[in-house]
Amino acid sequence: NAGVTQTPKFQVLKTGQSMTLQCAQDMNHEYMSWYRQDPGMGLRLIHYSVGAGITDQGEVPNGYNVSRSTTEDFPLRLLSAAPSQTSVYFCASSPDRSTDTQYFGPGTRLTVL
Amino acid sequence: GQSLEQPSEVTAVEGAIVQINCTYQTSGFYGLSWYQQHDGGAPTFLSYNALDGLEETGRFSSFLSRSDSYGYLLLQELQMKDSASYFCAVRDTGTGGFKTIFGAGTRLFVKA
Repeated sequence: NAGVTQTPKFQVLKTGQSMTLQCAQDMNHEYMSWYRQDPGMGLRLIHYSVGAGITDQGEVPNGYNVSRSTTEDFPLRLLSAAPSQTSVYFCASSPDRSTDTQYFGPGTRLTVL
Repeated sequence: GQSLEQPSEVTAVEGAIVQINCTYQTSGFYGLSWYQQHDGGAPTFLSYNALDGLEETGRFSSFLSRSDSYGYLLLQELQMKDSASYFCAVRDTGTGGFKTIFGAGTRLFVKA
């Protein structure tokens, strides 16, 4: 099993550009989530999904969209990048909504100029 | 609202035991999780407590008291490689969702 994979590992955007961060898991997990982590800080939940076709907002959803068309994939879209979105983005999955044992991808380091 | 409190830094010597505390405030609660993160790496899952009591996994143990909204991570026989950040997290269901909220993290420094 590859676990949770994320692409790309690094990305530089200009203000106003859009892009999609990819996330996939091969563990048949119900629950998937996106976090951002700013330097020296904890993880903040952006969006999450409890199953295919179901998504919900986290703590900091503004400027981001998600969709969950399959169990395996959970892409994160930045609609119009801003310097405040410079961060490290982690995708994670856990078996179901009630079991908070999350497995994290390696992260995407995003810089917005 | 939802919040988790944990110390920002802890320093201990190799071979010692260290305890990292976490207090939480949520409107709904499934359980308390702990994660380890080395600099430049991704968080990795350490332990999960849904019920009161102690869970042991090798050198690491985790404790939960739901009545006190309190838990801790206990690291025994500390090794240099244990130098990392440790995060507690809760899955909050109070608003009808299933949001995992993380603490700000405790930076553990292990000295020789």
